[in-house]
Amino acid sequence: QVHLVQSGGGLVQPGGSLRLSCAASGFNFNHYGMSWVRQAPGKGLEWVALIWFDGSHTLYADFVRGRFTISRDTSQNTLFLEMNSLTADDTGVYYCVKSRSGSGSPFDPWGQGTLVSVSS
Amino acid sequence: SYVLTQSPSVSVAPGQTATITCGGSNVAIYSVHWYQQQPGQAPVLVVYDNTDRPSGVPQRFSGSKSGNTATLTITRVEAGDEADYYCQVWDNGSQHVIFGGGTKLTVL
Repeated sequence: QVHLVQSGGGLVQPGGSLRLSCAASGFNFNHYGMSWVRQAPGKGLEWVALIWFDGSHTLYADFVRGRFTISRDTSQNTLFLEMNSLTADDTGVYYCVKSRSGSGSPFDPWGQGTLVSVSS
Repeated sequence: SYVLTQSPSVSVAPGQTATITCGGSNVAIYSVHWYQQQPGQAPVLVVYDNTDRPSGVPQRFSGSKSGNTATLTITRVEAGDEADYYCQVWDNGSQHVIFGGGTKLTVL
């Protein structure tokens, strides 16, 4: 069974940095694209970043503006999101998601989510 | 960039049929996926590639497309179906994942 277990969220001051992790199990991590999706409090879903199955390609939402970096470590079956220059608008629950097949395919399943709070 | 438009809310009585729409320009050329998000939980994929259901999703959930609108239909609605529903596409032109704004389904 596929499991995505997230860690690394928390409270950070504006301008600060945070690294999110997502430990994957139950599938061949090297074969699937992975993404991060976030949800501000009381708001809808918003895609953040995507990484190809082999890490060769990464894509970002426009609001990232060079502040975030998605990466993966195949030796640890772990997905990361490094976030810098955080602002209050980055506050929300961040979900790690697995692409069902190719990199443009739907997200299934989703991790449990981790809360990122940006506040002074 | 590409925009998907959903009605903010839909209400339906138990046992009736809920229709949740997702509008977008030329949506016919996109593969539309649907997610259910119950309160306080992570989203779950309920329909993918317009009409397919992942294993474990009840047949009461179905997807369709016509013109510029994709539709998620839930027949014989149950109290447990009360949730937020999101449509999603992959926009190859912008190389971005696009979500609709979400529709809150209330079971009366």
